[in-house]
Parts: sequence; structure tokens; C-alpha cells
Amino acid sequence: NAGVMQNPRHLVRRRGQEARLRCSPMKGHSHVYWYRQLPEEGLKFMVYLQKENIIDESGMPKERFSAEFPKEGPSILRIQQVVRGDSAAYFCASSRPSGVQETQYFGPGTRLLVL
Amino acid sequence: SQQGEEDPQALSIQEGENATMNCSYKTSINNLQWYRQNSGRGLVHLILIRSNEREKHSGRLRVTLDTSKKSSSLLITASRAADTASYFCATLPTGSGNTGKLIFGQGTTLQVKP
Repeated sequence: NAGVMQNPRHLVRRRGQEARLRCSPMKGHSHVYWYRQLPEEGLKFMVYLQKENIIDESGMPKERFSAEFPKEGPSILRIQQVVRGDSAAYFCASSRPSGVQETQYFGPGTRLLVL
Repeated sequence: SQQGEEDPQALSIQEGENATMNCSYKTSINNLQWYRQNSGRGLVHLILIRSNEREKHSGRLRVTLDTSKKSSSLLITASRAADTASYFCATLPTGSGNTGKLIFGQGTTLQVKP
């Protein structure tokens, strides 16, 4: 059973460009979470999605950031018009559909560098 | 201060010694999870302990939870150089609107010297 997959693993963008980060949850998992980790810090929650629904986006900046988890295909975290402060590692986690108290399994992360 | 604070921030020990890391939190929780992160890599789940549990073991790992003190500890016995990593505790608060939002601490950086 493959783990959580994220791609790309590294992404370099210039200021003003768009960044698209993809996350494929573990097989059988329908809950997806996105977290951001700034250098030398812990992870900060951004958004929680189930298939075709955003359940909690309280940790996601209101502007330039969006997330989706379509019926088919991976979850996408999209950052428009990136700025240097967006440089961070973005982690996706997934859990089983039996409830939010289940273990969250993390992917390897996408490291975004904005030049 | 934040939910899920680890202590100490950094720990350096010799191979074979035990390592203890502590985590304190502020609100009531459903569960608490410990993760390991090797430098530049993703997070590996270690143990989940629920609010009605006091202790759990997994191999060389032992986790305790004291909900009255709002604290948890992770003990790694007979440490190995491969245990060198950052360790994070993450809490799932109750009353979080059932969203599964984990609150992470800043982590403890463990160095195990061969």
C-alpha cells in the first residue's frame, strides 16, 4: 500500500508566478489535510478537505491560496502570485474516513522556493 | 505560548542512552500524536495516544499522557545514531469542530552520537 504521495518534491518559482502542489492520499483515505512548515518551525494547519468538500480552511490565507480535492484525482493546493514569504515546505496528510480522530499519515512534502 | 510545546528544544546524547522529550499543551484533547522528521524529509508517525490512555509502547518507544497536567512524554530507550531527528508532538483538541486539525509544537531536535 503506497503511502501519501506528493509532487513535485521541489518547486522553484519566481515572484508573481503560480505554484500547484499535488497530493494523492493513501488508498482508502478520503480525508486530506495540508500543513505548512516554515524553516526551523513546526507544522501549521492550513486546510482540511474531504472529497469535493472543503471542511475547514481556517489556517489558509484568504488571498492567493486555494485548495481542492476533486472526486477524481489528487488534492491540489494552489498558490497564486507567489511571494518570497510563501517559501516553505508544504505537507499533505491523509486519514481514513472513519473519523477525524484517526492517525494522519504524512507525505514527503513539497519544498517551495520563491526567488 | 503555543499548544504542543516540546521540551527540551535540543537534546544531545550518546548511543545507547535513553532520550526523553516532553510536550505540554493547553486545551483538552481527543488524542496526542508523536512524529519524527529527519532533516529535509517528511514526517513519520510514531504513536497515537488517546485521551483515555495513560501509556503506550511501540518497540523502543514509550509514550505517557497525563491529562491532568496536560503533558506527554516520549521516551526512546537504547538510542541509536539513526534516531537522530526532530520529534514533534501534535494534539487534536476537543471542540475543534470535528475537523481533525492537528496542533504541532516546535519540536525537539535529538542528536545521538555514535
